[in-house]
Amino acid sequence: QVQLQESGPGLVKPSGTLSLTCAVSGGSISSSSWWTWVRQPPGTGLEWIGEIYHSGGTNYNPSLQSRVTISVDKSKNQFSLKLNSVTAADTAVYFCARVKAGVDDYLDYWGQGTLVTVSS
Amino acid sequence: DIQMTQSPSTLSASVGDRVTITCRASQSISNWLAWYQQKPGKAPKVLIYKASSLESGVPSRFSGSGSGTEFTLTISSLQPDDFATYYCQHYRGSFGQGTKLEIK
Repeated sequence: QVQLQESGPGLVKPSGTLSLTCAVSGGSISSSSWWTWVRQPPGTGLEWIGEIYHSGGTNYNPSLQSRVTISVDKSKNQFSLKLNSVTAADTAVYFCARVKAGVDDYLDYWGQGTLVTVSS
Repeated sequence: DIQMTQSPSTLSASVGDRVTITCRASQSISNWLAWYQQKPGKAPKVLIYKASSLESGVPSRFSGSGSGTEFTLTISSLQPDDFATYYCQHYRGSFGQGTKLEIK
């Protein structure tokens, strides 16, 4: 059973950089899966941020692309999210998730989510 | 960039009702669509993949249909556990804005 666990600061100052890590257990990050970040501002819907493959290939949401970097650390079986120049609009619960390997690219395993607040 | 639009945004219904939620894509996405259920404070859970395939363990009262740009999620007979928010997602891309299913 694959498990994902987000970690990182719960409070980030405006104009700073949001940094989160997703630790993967019960499976290898080098499997044939993409690994994804999704966020959810309080009381609103889900926003796809981007994804990474173990080889380092990435895809980003065009609306966030200029500020987002997703990276992978195979030695630690984890992947990370960096979002720079944050504002209050970046306050959200951030989820990491796995894209199911194979033909059907839906999100089959999720972390429980971590709330990040942008405030001075 | 493909946009996903869901309707309605809120749906009030009673236990036992049949309900349908619609999701439209801004361009054809074949059948590369998933539906998720989310309850407060929890991560989303997949219900339907490839537009109409039922995820293992999901009750058969959930069904999906459609292809191209128009898709539907149907719950045939609402149960108390089904009151939640539902999202469609184009595979590895954007989500619909969500449909909150409320008790009438």
